[in-house]
Amino acid sequence: GQNIDQPTEMTATEGAIVQINCTYQTSGFNGLFWYQQHAGEAPTFLSYNVLDGLEEKGRFSSFLSRSKGYSYLLLKELQMKDSASYLCAVRADYKLSFGAGTTVTVRA
Amino acid sequence: ETGVTQTPRHLVMGMTNKKSLKCEQHLGHNAMYWYKQSAKKPLELMFVYSLEERVENNSVPSRFSPECPNSSHLFLHLHTLQPEDSALYLCASSQDGGGGRSIQYFGAGTRLSVL
Repeated sequence: GQNIDQPTEMTATEGAIVQINCTYQTSGFNGLFWYQQHAGEAPTFLSYNVLDGLEEKGRFSSFLSRSKGYSYLLLKELQMKDSASYLCAVRADYKLSFGAGTTVTVRA
Repeated sequence: ETGVTQTPRHLVMGMTNKKSLKCEQHLGHNAMYWYKQSAKKPLELMFVYSLEERVENNSVPSRFSPECPNSSHLFLHLHTLQPEDSALYLCASSQDGGGGRSIQYFGAGTRLSVL
């Protein structure tokens, strides 16, 4: 299986920036995904990286370094609605494995 | 609305009951998945169906029995469950079995409590 690590919790202030790190160990890497999950709701797709570098999508960006087994999700201009759990998922050999998730709390 | 609908949203059952969870996807996908999500733990892949054939059975106890009658519907039949089976059960679907840029879309889950 995969070994995927991300912090359990993070707190930030409205309007600030938060970076959620994810490290992984795997063979047969085939892509890294970030999902957002609000309490009681479905995980929703945020971003996908398969090549090294930064993918930007509005206020959210995701970075990947395959050689380091490292990714981060950057949330800019935080809003209260961004309070949620953020799941890092690694696809290897066409199977998706998830980290335990990072709960982000945005304070006013 | 993700295009993946799960029912019921909440279920309480005794250890001797038999119940079924239902998942329906309206995205035209050909692969469907069952995951178990326990508090503070990673999502655990349980079953994968691709083109209505089971292609993955991740060492799941036989008290969980999946059924995929067509590419839009997926069931999880439950019987003689244990209290440790209490969790959020998530269904997902994707186009193709996971290659390329295939993205999994999730339902909101069924919150199961086993008494």
